[in-house]
Amino acid sequence: EAGVTQFPSHSVIEKGQTVTLRCDPISGHDNLYWYRRVMGKEIKFLLHFVKESKQDESGMPNNRFLAERTGGTYSTLKVQPAELEDSGVYFCASSQRIGLVFHNEQFFGPGTRLTVL
Amino acid sequence: DQQVKQNSPSLSVQEGRISILNCDYTNSMFDYFLWYKKYPAEGPTFLISISSIKDKNEDGRFTVFLNKSAKHLSLHIVPSQPGDSAVYFCAATERSNDYKLSFGAGTTVTVRA
Repeated sequence: EAGVTQFPSHSVIEKGQTVTLRCDPISGHDNLYWYRRVMGKEIKFLLHFVKESKQDESGMPNNRFLAERTGGTYSTLKVQPAELEDSGVYFCASSQRIGLVFHNEQFFGPGTRLTVL
Repeated sequence: DQQVKQNSPSLSVQEGRISILNCDYTNSMFDYFLWYKKYPAEGPTFLISISSIKDKNEDGRFTVFLNKSAKHLSLHIVPSQPGDSAVYFCAATERSNDYKLSFGAGTTVTVRA
């Protein structure tokens, strides 16, 4: 079974540019989460999809960030325009939903390291 | 506001000895706690978890202890092995909140031969 994959692994852009990160969850996982780790600090929740629906986007920093999950499969996270403070590692995670019970283990991808210059 | 805190950024331990990692939380609504392990250039990997109805959970060399009154949990690794060298993240969640995880900043463990 393939794990969670993320693309690209590393992105270097200039302030003001646009970047789109992609996450492919484990096949069959309805839940998809985006997290971010900035400067070696804690990993912070950004948002949560259940299939194609945004369940919780309370962690999104501002309206420069846009996440989508068309068709309930892969997800993209777009940052437009990027600012210096957006630099960090963006992790995607996925988990199963079994009936009405959410499986508690989230499987993480390797992350995308974003550097904004 | 950081709801999960790991106050020790690093820990060095000799191979074969016990590693003890600590974690404190502030949100009394958290009812499920997890530890994740992370190697460089990889994503965090689930290690062990504990529900708030328990005070201890053991899995091989790894044991997690939960002290709800103190809002404190710890991870014990016995015996420590070189492959345990990694960053360990403490995480907490409210199961009613779809398992949105709140993480600490991580503790880097180095196991010396």
